[in-house]
Formats: sequence, C-alpha cells, structure tokens
Amino acid sequence: GAGVSQTPSNKVTEKGKYVELRCDPISGHTALYWYRQSLGQGPEFLIYFQGTGAADDSGLPNDRFFAVRPEGSVSTLKIQRTERGDSAVYLCASSLAGGPQGTQYFGPGTRLLVL
Amino acid sequence: GDSVTQMEGPVTLSEEAFLTINCTYTATGYPSLFWYVQYPGEGLQLLLKATKADDKGSNKGFEATYRKETTSFHLEKGSVQVSDSAVYFCALGDSNEKLTFGTGTRLTIIP
Repeated sequence: GAGVSQTPSNKVTEKGKYVELRCDPISGHTALYWYRQSLGQGPEFLIYFQGTGAADDSGLPNDRFFAVRPEGSVSTLKIQRTERGDSAVYLCASSLAGGPQGTQYFGPGTRLLVL
Repeated sequence: GDSVTQMEGPVTLSEEAFLTINCTYTATGYPSLFWYVQYPGEGLQLLLKATKADDKGSNKGFEATYRKETTSFHLEKGSVQVSDSAVYFCALGDSNEKLTFGTGTRLTIIP
C-alpha cells in the first residue's frame, strides 16, 4: 500500500517568504507527526496531531510555525517570514493509533532551502 | 528533558565484522526505545523496538536489549553486509507520543 507522501520534495524560497509543506499520511492512520532534521542531526519533534487536533505542539520553535489537519488526514505545515535558519528537511510521520508503542512511518521529507 | 546519546560516527567496518553502535538515554518515566535506519536515498524506517525493560528487539540480524539499569539500548549485529551501509538513529518515545532522536551514526561496510 501507499506510504506517507510529502510534497514538494524540494522547496527553495527567499528569506521573508511564506511556505506550505504538505503531508499525506497512510490511510486510516489517526496520528500524524512533524519533525525537522538539520544537516548532521537527528530529527527533532515539532508537532503531533491525533485526529484533527494538535495534541502536542511543544516542539514548534516560534509563532512563525503553524500546522493544521482540518479533516484528520492531510496536514499542512506553514512557515511565515522564513529565515535562513529554517533550512532543513521537514519530515512527516503517521501511526495507526499514536502513543509510544505505535510505530511511526516516515515520509521521504521536504528539503527546504531559504536563501 | 529527555535525551539520547549515541556513538559518534562515521563507523567503517569490513564485511562480516561484528557491529556495535552504542546508545544511552535520559528520560523520566518508562519510555519505549527504537532504532531507525536511513538507507541512501530513502526515508527513515523502523529497524527494531523494545517497549519495556529487558525486552530485546530484533530484525534483519540486528538486535538491541532495553537495559534500564544502564539506561542503554546498544545495537548489535554479528556479521554485517555491504547492504547494511546506512545512517542509524537511536530514539526514545515518551508518554507524550513524540520521538526524541540521537544524532545518528553513519555506517559504511566495505567488501
């Protein structure tokens, strides 16, 4: 079956611009996670959705970052007034039920470059 | 807060060598522990996991045992292959459903 998909695969933008990154989870997975991976580092948690609601957004670095999941499936990560330090690979993962024992399946990521 | 410390790389081994990648963690409560792998050009994949102390996770010849007394989850394989070349990430999952990852260890196996 289809895995987690993310679009675009690459995004180049200029400092100060607005970007949206999309994640399509595995069908039927209620839990969805966003992570950010900087070069040479492990992924860092950003936000977790259970259904339509954000159950934990403690990893969002500041109020320029926002994410939605209006119908409990597709999610969009939105970054306003992008900065060069936002350059990273943004990873999305989904799991069947959430929780530490639920296996998270990762998408291929969106590589964001802010010039 | 929670944290994961794993062996710095890169690690280069000959085919059929024994592999150990060390991982230790700091956490409150009773986390689950994971090893994820990222093969060249591919996304992160779960390699194995253990959900409670003394559990052993295993997959594809890799093993790791959840050691609460030493707060460790070292990854081992008895005989590595060229196809095992990848970046390996140790991670813990807390009660808030989020994963905390180590920095990753790049493994290269030479024939």
